[in-house]
Amino acid sequence: TQLLEQSPQFLSIQEGENLTVYCNSSSVFSSLQWYRQEPGEGPVLLVTVVTGGEVKKLKRLTFQFGDARKDSSLHITAAQPGDTGLYLCAGGKRDDKIIFGKGTRLHILP
Amino acid sequence: SQTIHQWPATLVQPVGSPLSLECTVEGTSNPNLYWYRQAAGRGLQLLFYSVGIGQISSEVPQNLSASRPQDRQFILSSKKLLLSDSGFYLCAWMRTGVAGANVLTFGAGSRLTVL
Repeated sequence: TQLLEQSPQFLSIQEGENLTVYCNSSSVFSSLQWYRQEPGEGPVLLVTVVTGGEVKKLKRLTFQFGDARKDSSLHITAAQPGDTGLYLCAGGKRDDKIIFGKGTRLHILP
Repeated sequence: SQTIHQWPATLVQPVGSPLSLECTVEGTSNPNLYWYRQAAGRGLQLLFYSVGIGQISSEVPQNLSASRPQDRQFILSSKKLLLSDSGFYLCAWMRTGVAGANVLTFGAGSRLTVL
């Protein structure tokens, strides 16, 4: 059962454009994380959100946790080729398991 | 500082052969450890996790098994590989991050190709 749905699955845009990717679930999570993965490497944590409605900014990246703690979004402003990669959202529950979505593959064209 | 090591990085095995992937963590004690499998360029499927020596939880029925013989060692095994076992295997340990949230730190991964 896939508990976290990410959309879109693929996104290819021009450098300088803005974009938003989404992570949705019918389940409530104690925290939601976003990871970024380069080909042939393990995912690397970008941010963790724990409070409903929370917004975090990491340079040009803005992360939001839904009020009901069931969904999250990642917004990138003025995308750059270095933003290219696989973006994974992951939900944490209180039973020591972290469940991942299928990811959004982002490609920024120079 | 904590580090996590996986090996081998790349493995090509024939169908029916055994498998052993190893993961070790340094700089922490009694970590929660995880094995995930990733299909080509897609999300991670949780296979096994362990909260201590000899304690293994399996998430999906499959041709694989896991063991934790030492506190900081986690091993993924198979007696007879199937073609469908091909994939990118990631080991991770769980640490406590912001506001007490559990977050994962991953190894570099092991790419398995079964022919």
